[in-house]
Amino acid sequence: KAGVTQTPRYLIKTRGQQVTLSCSPISGHRSVSWYQQTPGQGLQFLFEYFSETQRNKGNFPGRFSGRQFSNSRSEMNVSTLELGDSALYLCASSLQGRGADTQYFGPGTRLTVL
Amino acid sequence: AQTVTQSQPEMSVQEAETVTLSCTYDTSESDYYLFWYKQPPSRQMILVIRQEAYKQQNATENRFSVNFQKAAKSFSLKISDSQLGDAAMYFCAINSGGYQKVTFGTGTKLQVIP
Repeated sequence: KAGVTQTPRYLIKTRGQQVTLSCSPISGHRSVSWYQQTPGQGLQFLFEYFSETQRNKGNFPGRFSGRQFSNSRSEMNVSTLELGDSALYLCASSLQGRGADTQYFGPGTRLTVL
Repeated sequence: AQTVTQSQPEMSVQEAETVTLSCTYDTSESDYYLFWYKQPPSRQMILVIRQEAYKQQNATENRFSVNFQKAAKSFSLKISDSQLGDAAMYFCAINSGGYQKVTFGTGTKLQVIP
């Protein structure tokens, strides 16, 4: 079974631009979570989607948004990019998104904002 | 709210020796799950071991085992017979409540010395 895939793997943008990251979960997984990883803040939860609905959201500004499609693939969008948005963005999928479910992570998208 | 604290930013261990990584947590929920994740330099986050809070027996996975002290809110990871491939960042994490909103610790960088 194929693992979680994320595209693109690397991205360079300039301040003020917008970016969209994509995540394809493991086949059969219906929950997708997004995390931001930075050296200063560590791993921070962004949001979680299940059956095309956002169920949980972390403490991030409204510039960070996401969506999930009927095939469980998910996209994350960041508008009006700031230098501080430079980070590794990780996506993780699980079967039902329950607390007990194991999350499987993708390789991440490295976003650099200049 | 849930928090995770890893007080050891870096640790080292001789190959074939045993090392213990510390983690403390806090949550107001009675039902929660604890995890140790490994992130090698390639950045793919991998689940090492998980523990259900309602289980008194400590989880084990081959060379990896945990010491779960529920009253003390402590969840340490023991790696026996350390191998070079164990070198990585190790993150302790908690998920409490019904849905996934995982909180990670700041990580411990483990170096394995040949």
